[in-house]
This record gives sequence, C-alpha cells and structure tokens, in this order.
Amino acid sequence: NAGVMQNPRHLVRRRGQEARLRCSPMKGHSHVYWYRQLPEEGLKFMVYLQKENIIDESGMPKERFSAEFPKEGPSILRIQQVVRGDSAAYFCASSRYQGASRNEQFFGPGTRLTVL
Amino acid sequence: GESVGLHLPTLSVQEGDNSIINCAYSNSASDYFIWYKQESGKGPQFIIDIRSNMDKRQGQRVTVLLNKTVKHLSLQIAATQPGDSAVYFCAEITNTDKLIFGTGTRLQVFP
Repeated sequence: NAGVMQNPRHLVRRRGQEARLRCSPMKGHSHVYWYRQLPEEGLKFMVYLQKENIIDESGMPKERFSAEFPKEGPSILRIQQVVRGDSAAYFCASSRYQGASRNEQFFGPGTRLTVL
Repeated sequence: GESVGLHLPTLSVQEGDNSIINCAYSNSASDYFIWYKQESGKGPQFIIDIRSNMDKRQGQRVTVLLNKTVKHLSLQIAATQPGDSAVYFCAEITNTDKLIFGTGTRLQVFP
C-alpha cells in the first residue's frame, strides 16, 4: 500500500530552464494538492486538482507555473523559465474524499528544487 | 531540516517531560483542524485532527485542545521522546478543501 510518491526527490535546474515535478497519489485517491515550502516558511497552498480538472488554483503564481492531473498518469507541476526564487521544496498531497470534514490529506516526501 | 529553515520558534524539552505546542489560526469559519509533524527531509505527517464542535481530542500520547473564542489550538505531547523531535504545524481546512498552515514550531528533545 504505497503512499504518495513524488519524483524526482531532488532537481537542479539553471535559470531559464523548465522544471517538471511529478506526483502519484495514493491508490484510490482522486484529489491532489500541491504546496510549496520556501526556506524559513511553512507550507503554502498552490493548487487543488481532481482528475482532468483544476478545482482551485488560487495559490499559483500567475505566470510560468501550471499544473495538470490527467485521466491516466501522475499529476504534473510545471515551472517554466525557472528563477532562483523558485528554489523550494514542493509537496504533493492526496485525499480520497472531498469536503472539510473528511479531508485527510496524505503528503509525499517532496521534491527539492534548486535553481542555480 | 533544510526545508523549514532556521528561524522557526523552538521548544526545547527534556526527554520524558510533556510538551505543549501552540498555534493561532486566522479564519473563524474554519471547522476542521489538523496537526502535522515534519521531520527533516520529509513531508508532513498527520498526527491528530479535531473538528470545531469539539474542545479536546486525545490520541496516543497526544492531545489537541481547541479554543474557538480566541482561535487557538494546542498540541500536548506526553512523555516526550527523542523521536518526537521535528517541526510541528497546525493547519486549518478551508471551505474549498485547501490546507492553510501555521508558521510551525521546532521541537527539540534532549536526553
């Protein structure tokens, strides 16, 4: 019974390159959330997706960032033309149910992005 | 933990003592709260949750208290162990299902 899986665990990119972060939710979970953790800060919500739908992207920067959760395969967080300020740990969480009272979110180990 | 930085509030306790970690939340409409533990290099791990219609909930060695009047949560860890050393976050669930995390507190347990 594998937990939430994220890859790669560590990613190094030079300024201007693209970063693609992958998240496979737990079996039976159809809700995926992405969070960013900057150094010296707590986790900040970015986007909430269900299969093939973006439900809430209120935490996503307006430019360069996009996310998808296709019918088949993992959820992808894509950062285009990375800048040094994008260096952070990016965590994915998944849940089985929707709704605040039943919304236990299980977190993956994170991808640590370093932009040189 | 490289992901949580060096400037988090820190609570230092001796092994065997009880720990109390506090958290203030912002949204008076939030009705579900969770405490997470984050060890160095890992993702947050669920510890215990509480709904707004409750004041207290107990788990194994942990107790969460909720004071809705002052929008305050606390996590009590009994008989703290070295393995409890981590950063602890409270989080509230919004009506759109996203988690809003508090700042976090680093717990250091000394032998």
